[in-house]
Amino acid sequence: EDQVTQSPEALRLQEGESSSLNCSYTVSGLRGLFWYRQDPGKGPEFLFTLYSAGEEKEKERLKATLTKKESFLHITAPKPEDSATYLCAVGQGAQKLVFGQGTRLTINP
Amino acid sequence: SQTIHQWPATLVQPVGSPLSLECTVEGTSNPNLYWYRQAAGRGLQLLFYSVGIGQISSEVPQNLSASRPQDRQFILSSKKLLLSDSGFYLCAWTTGGGTQETQYFGPGTRLLVL
Repeated sequence: EDQVTQSPEALRLQEGESSSLNCSYTVSGLRGLFWYRQDPGKGPEFLFTLYSAGEEKEKERLKATLTKKESFLHITAPKPEDSATYLCAVGQGAQKLVFGQGTRLTINP
Repeated sequence: SQTIHQWPATLVQPVGSPLSLECTVEGTSNPNLYWYRQAAGRGLQLLFYSVGIGQISSEVPQNLSASRPQDRQFILSSKKLLLSDSGFYLCAWTTGGGTQETQYFGPGTRLLVL
């Protein structure tokens, strides 16, 4: 059965303090790994899709990387507005996604 | 550009009452549509998905049902709500086809069953 595990569950950083979020997965044939950002009370907002090991994508202070067993979301010099829950998901057949539990990120000014 | 709508935004319902949540997508045709539920502080659980009008696949046995009466309309229903049905309900869409495409989410409906 496909599984996605995110760590840590929660992370508190000071503004400007860089760090990484982890997403480990077990899937029979990766059909894409997806990162989303979710603000409280809102729907998830798409950030990145990665399809193959070694692939990297960047957007502002965020950079996503992918290996055969895990993905990292690196946050460089974060700002308070980066505070959110970050969700990772892997693609299954029939265009379904399996989501991890998320990492709740708090950036203190 | 594509837009996805959900309503209502929030709903408070008594146990045993019926439920109808609606999701519509604009700016695309023949999308795949999905219903998810998110419990407080948890990840997303896929409830139903649909690849076309009248075609519904259920992922989790429960007292909820889904229907797709039109190409860009997806409805989540229940005849009798349970306390455990409380949660944040999200609708998502993706382009149809054989490849894995990104899913885009609506704003969600917060349901509280009392």
